[in-house]
Amino acid sequence: NAGVTQTPKFRVLKTGQSMTLLCAQDMNHEYMYWYRQDPGMGLRLIHYSVGEGTTAKGEVPDGYNVSRLKKQNFLLGLESAAPSQTSVYFCASRLAGTSRGNTIYFGEGSWLTVV
Amino acid sequence: AQSVTQPDIHITVSEGASLELRCNYSYGATPYLFWYVQSPGQGLQLLLKYFSGDTLVQGIKGFEAEFKRSQSSFNLRKPSVHWSDAAEYFCAVGARAGTGNQFYFGTGTSLTVIP
Repeated sequence: NAGVTQTPKFRVLKTGQSMTLLCAQDMNHEYMYWYRQDPGMGLRLIHYSVGEGTTAKGEVPDGYNVSRLKKQNFLLGLESAAPSQTSVYFCASRLAGTSRGNTIYFGEGSWLTVV
Repeated sequence: AQSVTQPDIHITVSEGASLELRCNYSYGATPYLFWYVQSPGQGLQLLLKYFSGDTLVQGIKGFEAEFKRSQSSFNLRKPSVHWSDAAEYFCAVGARAGTGNQFYFGTGTSLTVIP
């Protein structure tokens, strides 16, 4: 069972470089999310999507862009990486309905370091 | 505004002792409530959830949680802690369908288990 898969798992970037994190889910979930996790701050929502072709800003969207061209994929882009974007990034997904209590499923995380 | 508070940043317990992790939430209606566990270097795994019905919820690994509406709390308990329970624990509130698309996470409680 693949569930939610994130690539890459680890990456080191130089300040100003760009990169894209890929999230793929095989559960036919409508909703997908990108979070960042920093010490003492828990999980903060960057962007989310409620369906193919739609995206919305979360709590900390600045410096990031996202795209949801296919239902199963949700891409997170850093246009010009900054050291403040050093973090662990988690992708998550869930069904839109209420039949399963809206459980959210997480990927295993992507560790990004910007030097 | 919705929010989740985990008042204890770090808790240390002896193996075999009982455990209670606190979670308080602020939400305008009856929410979905979740507890997730994160082992070092891993993603978040669902321990249990409250959707509706019985306010005492049983989860995996011997954990349980009780929803108390009057106290806006959803505390996690385990009668006898094992060394493998050492991890980070996150409480989360999920909006019900039609009222929002986001989950709100607490900042986490780090659990250390002493042999």
